[in-house]
Amino acid sequence: SQQGEEDPQALSIQEGENATMNCSYKTSINNLQWYRQNSGRGLVHLILIRSNEREKHSGRLRVTLDTSKKSSSLLITASRAADTASYFCATSYSSNTGKLIFGQGTTLQVKP
Amino acid sequence: DVKVTQSSRYLVKRTGEKVFLECVQDMDHENMFWYRQDPGLGLRLIYFSYDVKMKEKGDIPEGYSVSREKKERFSLILESASTNQTSMYLCASSLEGSPKGYEQYFGPGTRLTVT
Repeated sequence: SQQGEEDPQALSIQEGENATMNCSYKTSINNLQWYRQNSGRGLVHLILIRSNEREKHSGRLRVTLDTSKKSSSLLITASRAADTASYFCATSYSSNTGKLIFGQGTTLQVKP
Repeated sequence: DVKVTQSSRYLVKRTGEKVFLECVQDMDHENMFWYRQDPGLGLRLIYFSYDVKMKEKGDIPEGYSVSREKKERFSLILESASTNQTSMYLCASSLEGSPKGYEQYFGPGTRLTVT
């Protein structure tokens, strides 16, 4: 019952370029979250956007949400080699349990 | 800082063994989760708990059980380990009813190999 699908599956860019990752989901959500995972480690929460919000910023991160298209995008500006990681979107569709459904992730490689 | 710890980073077990994976969080979170992560399949929820002694099945509970006797500790049990349970296991916790909206905090993961 995977909710989120991410695109692209893999992305390779040069340092300084922007990276954009997309996430689509199937049913109505309460919020959508983005997480980062360095190789072999746990996930780290990056940003949360609620269903009534359209855009959110955090440092070099910009997240948009289009509920009519059931999609979100994560933009990392001026990327650095340290941004190399996998990025996952996760959707919260129930206000009672706190459960999230994760997408399969986008693997980002930033070349120095 | 929220800290979620898992008992082992790497674990090797034999087929048929009973395996315990332990997770402890130090932020008084109500919710705790166990996921497994496999290449190409993303994170899949095995079980979650929203209170002490309370649990609910996730998407792939078969072959697993859980225990939550204390609020800070959530254990995942493989009753009889099989090779198809070789995976990365991730524990997470979150506040219930948080104004932050259920941000989850993850442990470092346990890479389990069943031979």
